Amino acid sequence: EVQLVESGGGLVQPGGSLRLSCVASAFTFSDHFKDWVRQAPGKGLEWIGRIGNKGNSYTTEYAASMKGRFTISRDDSKNSLYLQVHSLKTEDTAVYYCVSTALPSQYWGQGTLVTVSS
Amino acid sequence: EIVLTQSPDTLSLSPGERATLSCRASQTVNSNSLAWFQQKPGQAPRLLIYGASNRATGIPDRFSGSGSGTDFTLTISRLEPEDFAVYYCQQYARLATFGPGTKVDIK
Repeated sequence: EVQLVESGGGLVQPGGSLRLSCVASAFTFSDHFKDWVRQAPGKGLEWIGRIGNKGNSYTTEYAASMKGRFTISRDDSKNSLYLQVHSLKTEDTAVYYCVSTALPSQYWGQGTLVTVSS
Repeated sequence: EIVLTQSPDTLSLSPGERATLSCRASQTVNSNSLAWFQQKPGQAPRLLIYGASNRATGIPDRFSGSGSGTDFTLTISRLEPEDFAVYYCQQYARLATFGPGTKVDIK
């Protein structure tokens, strides 16, 4: 069964940093484009950014509002995707999802909750 | 940034009825790079439609997408009990953005 499992969420103080991880199993991870998407409690979906595959030189793209504090990286040898976030704000409180796409298929993790609070 | 608006905010229907959801973009979405997602409470979203009209893997044919340019539609031909959920559109022509969602609830 295809699975994406995120980890690294939890309670963080404002101004802090964290690194989220997403590990994939049971599919060819390296071919896929990878996205991070977040959802604040009771709110809609917000796209954070994307990293391509080897074929497009692992190009990264970010939403304008995310540029500068968010960094996406991947390690295909570990079937892993990462999201580094700096200078966390209370408005970054959300469930963070990793997404792996090779159309017509797409896989989502279960999400990891990040709570930014003092 | 391409801004997406969805209408209506909420659609109240009965099982067996047809649902028509709208997504409008502030600029032309090139290559019809428009997707639709379904999200149920406590679950991750699920891709339904990509490229405006192509069903994703495993999606039943009662779900269909149409449209081009700035106006797109998701149609659920006959609502099943498991279809009551929130639906989001997403453009991925220029970076990516999501619409605010349409909730389909039971009348």
